[in-house]
Amino acid sequence: QVQLMQSGAEVKKPGASVKVSCKASGYTFSSYDINWVRQAPGQGPEWMGWMNPNSGNRGYAQKFQGRVTMTTNTATSTAYMELSSLRSEDTAVYYCASPAGFGSSLAYWGQGTLVTVSS
Amino acid sequence: SYELTQPPSVSVSPGQTATITCSGNKLGDRFVYWYQQKPGQSPVMVIYQDTKRPSGSPERFSGSNSGNTATLTISGTQAMDEADYYCQAWDSSTVVFGGGTKLTVL
Repeated sequence: QVQLMQSGAEVKKPGASVKVSCKASGYTFSSYDINWVRQAPGQGPEWMGWMNPNSGNRGYAQKFQGRVTMTTNTATSTAYMELSSLRSEDTAVYYCASPAGFGSSLAYWGQGTLVTVSS
Repeated sequence: SYELTQPPSVSVSPGQTATITCSGNKLGDRFVYWYQQKPGQSPVMVIYQDTKRPSGSPERFSGSNSGNTATLTISGTQAMDEADYYCQAWDSSTVVFGGGTKLTVL
């Protein structure tokens, strides 16, 4: 079965960077985009961007341009999302998600990684 | 930028039909996806490409999309369906989410 397993919770100081990993299994990792979505406490999901592991193509939401970097390692079927210049408003649960065969959906989600930004 | 609008809350009695709408300009020209999220859990897709149900999504969940409005319908609503529901579509290679609807079963 499709699984997306994310790295553990992080606590960072303002101005620092965080890198979250997402290891995929149960499907051909290079065949489908990986999306990253975050959700601040009590808020709805907010899309951050996508990356295709095969082509290396990626697209970022305008809000995160210049601060986010998405990468993949096809040898280990792992995707990464790095967010820099962290501020308190970046405190959120960060999710990876993949369609894995369901059109352009976000059919499968990781368990989420809580990133807390606090001085 | 493209916007999707959902009612903040919907209430339904057990066994009745719940209807959650999602509005956007010419939304019927795009595919709509619906996600259910319970407290402390990751979102789960219940409808994709307007009307399709993934395996594992109960038959009581159905979707439609026409004109400016997409609709998620839950027939015979159960207590376990109480959750937040989000619609989603693509616009210019970006994902757009609706603001979410809290479904209360009472």
